[in-house]
Amino acid sequence: AQSVTQLGSHVSVSEGALVLLRCNYSSSVPPYLFWYVQYPNQGLQLLLKYTSAATLVKGINGFEAEFKKSETSFHLTKPSAHMSDAAEYFCAVIPVNFGNEKLTFGTGTRLTIIP
Amino acid sequence: NAGVTQTPKFRVLKTGQSMTLLCAQDMNHEYMYWYRQDPGMGLRLIHYSVGEGTTAKGEVPDGYNVSRLKKQNFLLGLESAAPSQTSVYFCASSFGGGTTGELFFGEGSRLTVL
Repeated sequence: AQSVTQLGSHVSVSEGALVLLRCNYSSSVPPYLFWYVQYPNQGLQLLLKYTSAATLVKGINGFEAEFKKSETSFHLTKPSAHMSDAAEYFCAVIPVNFGNEKLTFGTGTRLTIIP
Repeated sequence: NAGVTQTPKFRVLKTGQSMTLLCAQDMNHEYMYWYRQDPGMGLRLIHYSVGEGTTAKGEVPDGYNVSRLKKQNFLLGLESAAPSQTSVYFCASSFGGGTTGELFFGEGSRLTVL
């Protein structure tokens, strides 16, 4: 089954520092990939998605992710962390050749921003 | 602009009791989903629906039933609650499937089974 692996369940960065959250997918055929963010006591909201167009995808709040087929990766980055970025981030995948109903999530990475 | 609304937001049950979680969306979305979120396990799909009157099993359907009698509502039922069903439940909806559009989530329903 198609899946994603998020390396690091907790990541801490200083305010103003680079944010890097890692996601690798398991598939010989590049799937559709997504990053969602969950702020405390809220539901998830879409940050960005990759659907086989540009490999560098820009999302909301200054985040972006680069699809690298050779590394089967879709890491999320932001050049300068802000206190409001503290949240849990989920990578998710849908296989291209299956019905598009089943979005499968990774286990999540909790991002803490150090003042 | 309500989006996706879940009720109740909190509930405590005793083992063996039954309950229903209600999800309502006002965006005229075809697809609706129920996920559960547990620490260290991310979100796992319980059941989903691709339209009024249809339902399908997800990754962890055992112990749950669903119904989609009206397009805007998706109900999740627990017939005989077990402690293993203690979790935070999220409903989501989308216009198409995940590849065509984003999923819109409710704020979650926290269920504790004693």
